[in-house]
Order: sequence, then structure tokens, then C-alpha cells
Amino acid sequence: EDQVTQSPEALRLQEGESSSLNCSYTVSGLRGLFWYRQDPGKGPEFLFTLYSAGEEKEKERLKATLTKKESFLHITAPKPEDSATYLCARLNAGKSTFGDGTTLTVKP
Amino acid sequence: EAGVAQSPRYKIIEKRQSVAFWCNPISGHATLYWYQQILGQGPKLLIQFQNNGVVDDSQLPKDRFSAERLKGVDSTLKIQPAKLEDSAVYLCASSLRLSDQETQYFGPGTRLLVL
Repeated sequence: EDQVTQSPEALRLQEGESSSLNCSYTVSGLRGLFWYRQDPGKGPEFLFTLYSAGEEKEKERLKATLTKKESFLHITAPKPEDSATYLCARLNAGKSTFGDGTTLTVKP
Repeated sequence: EAGVAQSPRYKIIEKRQSVAFWCNPISGHATLYWYQQILGQGPKLLIQFQNNGVVDDSQLPKDRFSAERLKGVDSTLKIQPAKLEDSAVYLCASSLRLSDQETQYFGPGTRLLVL
């Protein structure tokens, strides 16, 4: 069974201070790796899907990358509105396993 | 395009009472999921349906939880009787089909507090 681990649990940044979030998993293989953003009191909002090692996707200040054993979510010059919990998930035979998320706080 | 709808948004009950949650997936989505999210944790899959059939319910506490998806569209999740540890957010998600590469889209969730 796949185990998904996210680090760090919490991250506090100053506005404009770039950083990366990590998502690692135990079962390698070609399957979907998903990143979601979750704001307090709301359901997860889809950000990216990555399928194969070496793949990268970008959206505004966010860039997701994938290796065989982990994925990174890079945040460039973050703004306070990027504050949220970022979740990653893997699918195996349609069954999803989520990490516990990284809570990002961006101070102005 | 309308998203995944859930109701109610909030529910407060006492332990040993019953509660039911409703979900309407995105139109045309064949696969529907129910998750439980405890504060500070990621969503945990409870049950998934493909049309009106159960694909996986291995993590559903079947002694107290039940779910159905009649006619392959709307779904209800029921807890009877509720325990204190059932306090959580119950999320419904849907995807176009059952696939390891298919994106799941989530509803806003139902926040349950069991006293």
C-alpha cells in the first residue's frame, strides 16, 4: 500500500521568499500524482496532475515537478493570498492516498 | 460548469444519533468518492462508486457507516449511531471515470460535530 508523506508540516514565509514543499511516496510506478490547495473551511481545489518522472507543470507562482520517488511544489515570490494547506495525493487502481498536507503562511 | 454540491454544510448532533449527508457530483462523472478529513490530516477515502456500484469500501466502518448511490448520480452517506470520533469534515468528490490519471474534483464538505 502506498504511503504518502509531506514535509514540512508547516512553513512560514515572508512575501517574496521562495521555497519548496515536498511530497514523497513509497510505491514507485507510473500513476497519477496530484497537488491540491485547500483553504480553511473549503474542499480541496485541484492544481496539478503529474504522470511521469521529469514532468513539470506551472501555474502562476507555482511549479510542480516529479521524480520516481517524490514531487516538489516550488513557490516563487509568494504572496499572502498563497497562504493555504497544500495536499498531494497518489492514485493506485483508482484508490487515492493523500498526505497530511503542508500549511503555508505567507506574511506581508 | 457546476461543481460538486454537498449538503448540509454543517451538522451538530449528539453521540448515538444518526446523520445523513448528500452529494451531487459533476454532471457526467461516473465515479464518486466519499472521504473523511479529520482536523490536521489529509482526506481518507471511505468509499468509491463507479456508476451505482461500489468499487472499494475497505475503509468504511460498516458497523455504523453506510452509503448508496441510487441511479448512478446522487449519493448519500449515513452514520448510525454516531460516535465522538466521527467529528470530521466529510468530503465528496467525483471524476469522469475510474483511472489512475483521472482528476478528482471536490465539493465544499460537510462539517460534522458529535457532542
